[in-house]
Amino acid sequence: AQTVTQSQPEMSVQEAETVTLSCTYDTSESDYYLFWYKQPPSRQMILVIRQEAYKQQNATENRFSVNFQKAAKSFSLKISDSQLGDAAMYFCALIMYNNNDMRFGAGTRLTVKP
Amino acid sequence: DGGITQSPKYLFRKEGQNVTLSCEQNLNHDAMYWYRQDPGQGLRLIYYSQIVNDFQKGDIAEGYSVSREKKESFPLTVTSAQKNPTAFYLCASSTLLGTGMEEQYFGPGTRLTVT
Repeated sequence: AQTVTQSQPEMSVQEAETVTLSCTYDTSESDYYLFWYKQPPSRQMILVIRQEAYKQQNATENRFSVNFQKAAKSFSLKISDSQLGDAAMYFCALIMYNNNDMRFGAGTRLTVKP
Repeated sequence: DGGITQSPKYLFRKEGQNVTLSCEQNLNHDAMYWYRQDPGQGLRLIYYSQIVNDFQKGDIAEGYSVSREKKESFPLTVTSAQKNPTAFYLCASSTLLGTGMEEQYFGPGTRLTVT
């Protein structure tokens, strides 16, 4: 079975600073995809970034980037130049190739201080 | 605008009553999903459907039922057999290229409270 662990229930960052959210996962498969979703207070889930496991290059989307360490089964999210609008719950998720069963971590609540 | 709608946003029911949560999408997505969200537990898959008239159980399907009579619609019924139905329910949809890479688009959710 696949599992996703987010060990930081809460994190805080000063506006304009950088923060890294941790995620580890466990799977015996070699082909899978990893996602970070953001859930702001409105509770609308929004995709932040995705990573294919077969790609060594880390994905980047504007101020968001990941550090994907396949051997260590680690998938951390780095938010640069944090903004007040980044305050939200962040969920790490894992899905196997050719499968629709997405596994989510318990989430990390990010607070951004002005 | 394309998207996913869930109604109602808040729902209150008495214990012992069945209740149906609505989920509609106009994104022409083949796959649809229902998740349950509880504090500190992330999202857990209840049911998913890849095609009309077909659906599969997720990890926590007991006490729930679904139907998929139309591509656009995937209603979830919370039955009286569900021991702890109070939760936030999220519906999602995605294309079905078969790789798993497809982004899941989420609805705004329904908060169900059973007393």
